Amino acid sequence: DTAVSQTPKYLVTQMGNDKSIKCEQNLGHDTMYWYKQDSKKFLKIMFSYNNKELIINETVPNRFSPKSPDKAHLNLHINSLELGDSAVYFCASSFTGTSGSGEQFFGPGTRLTVL
Amino acid sequence: AQSVTQLGSHVSVSEGALVLLRCNYSSSVPPYLFWYVQYPNQGLQLLLKYTTGATLVKGINGFEAEFKKSETSFHLTKPSAHMSDAAEYFCAVKDDKLIFGTGTRLQVFP
Repeated sequence: DTAVSQTPKYLVTQMGNDKSIKCEQNLGHDTMYWYKQDSKKFLKIMFSYNNKELIINETVPNRFSPKSPDKAHLNLHINSLELGDSAVYFCASSFTGTSGSGEQFFGPGTRLTVL
Repeated sequence: AQSVTQLGSHVSVSEGALVLLRCNYSSSVPPYLFWYVQYPNQGLQLLLKYTTGATLVKGINGFEAEFKKSETSFHLTKPSAHMSDAAEYFCAVKDDKLIFGTGTRLQVFP
């Protein structure tokens, strides 16, 4: 009964490859997010989707493309992987209502290593 | 734009000692404030949050934080540290998105 799940947990790949990370939430939330955590533990939002619609798109290379097939899923596809893409990627979800605080629930992370 | 500053990237305490992790925020509107904890190789877990109302907020694992508008602070405290509290702690403020501080690593020595 995991709330926010991500696959895979670890991903090791060569430079130039294309890879995807999947995220699913069973909390009934309407908003999902992707964050990148670098080696210094700094967390930065990359994308946010509300009801399958992109609402936040931070300054992220266009090699990164999120896709939300439905409210419960948000996938992240990365083309032409670079060394600097090595990081931990976290998925999160929240309910974005007018009366709520919008607290976010995080997945366990995907550690991406680009060689 | 809203921002969060966490003073001290590393804090070390002895088991049983008081834990104090500092967070200051900048916000042009009444803020929603959060503390998250990240244990090694895990995702972030919500410790506590402040939205409105009582300024002293109690969270899980014996942690609490006090919202002080005059000081623009939301410091996290715990009266007595346990070894299991060793983790990375993040303060965050909510705008249209969550803006995180740079994190504070808490070490607890026996």
